Amino acid sequence: KAGVTQTPRYLIKTRGQQVTLSCSPISGHRSVSWYQQTPGQGLQFLFEYFSETQRNKGNFPGRFSGRQFSNSRSEMNVSTLELGDSALYLCASSLAGGGSVVTEAFFGQGTRLTVV
Amino acid sequence: AQSVTQLGSHVSVSEGALVLLRCNYSSSVPPYLFWYVQYPNQGLQLLLKYTTGATLVKGINGFEAEFKKSETSFHLTKPSAHMSDAAEYFCAVSPLTGGGNKLTFGTGTQLKVEL
Repeated sequence: KAGVTQTPRYLIKTRGQQVTLSCSPISGHRSVSWYQQTPGQGLQFLFEYFSETQRNKGNFPGRFSGRQFSNSRSEMNVSTLELGDSALYLCASSLAGGGSVVTEAFFGQGTRLTVV
Repeated sequence: AQSVTQLGSHVSVSEGALVLLRCNYSSSVPPYLFWYVQYPNQGLQLLLKYTTGATLVKGINGFEAEFKKSETSFHLTKPSAHMSDAAEYFCAVSPLTGGGNKLTFGTGTQLKVEL
């Protein structure tokens, strides 16, 4: 079956602009999480959506937002881009709803965002 | 808050030698533990996970890890390194309850395999 698909793979934006990244989870997966990966900060959790509701949120400013649609596809948006937002943004989808059940998170290949 | 410490940001081994990548976690309650691998310009792939039960966990590509509660460790090993194992490895934790699918990652260990 198809894996997690992230689009676009590469993106160049200018400071002050906004950007929207897309993630299509594996069919049947209802949980989608987003992570930011940078050389300095490593992998950091942004937020998780489950059944169109944000269930968890990391420690990022309000410029970072997301949403999930009824088909489980998710988007994340970053407004007023800063140079420090340059990173690899990874999306992961999971089958279960969390709680006491933890299932494998499948990661997409990521979107490489460069802010100039 | 849970955290993960990976000792050694770079590890170099010879092909055929033992691979040992270290991971220690900090949590008042043993969490779920994972090892992921990342190849250049790729996403993360799960190698193995510990949830409950047997403390020695076998994963893909010949990797295994042992959960040691007394040492709060979850070190990753492979008896014989292969050139294709060269990649970055991440240890991660997830809370037992209420955490959804939120992973906290270590800083990663870059594994180099030399001939």
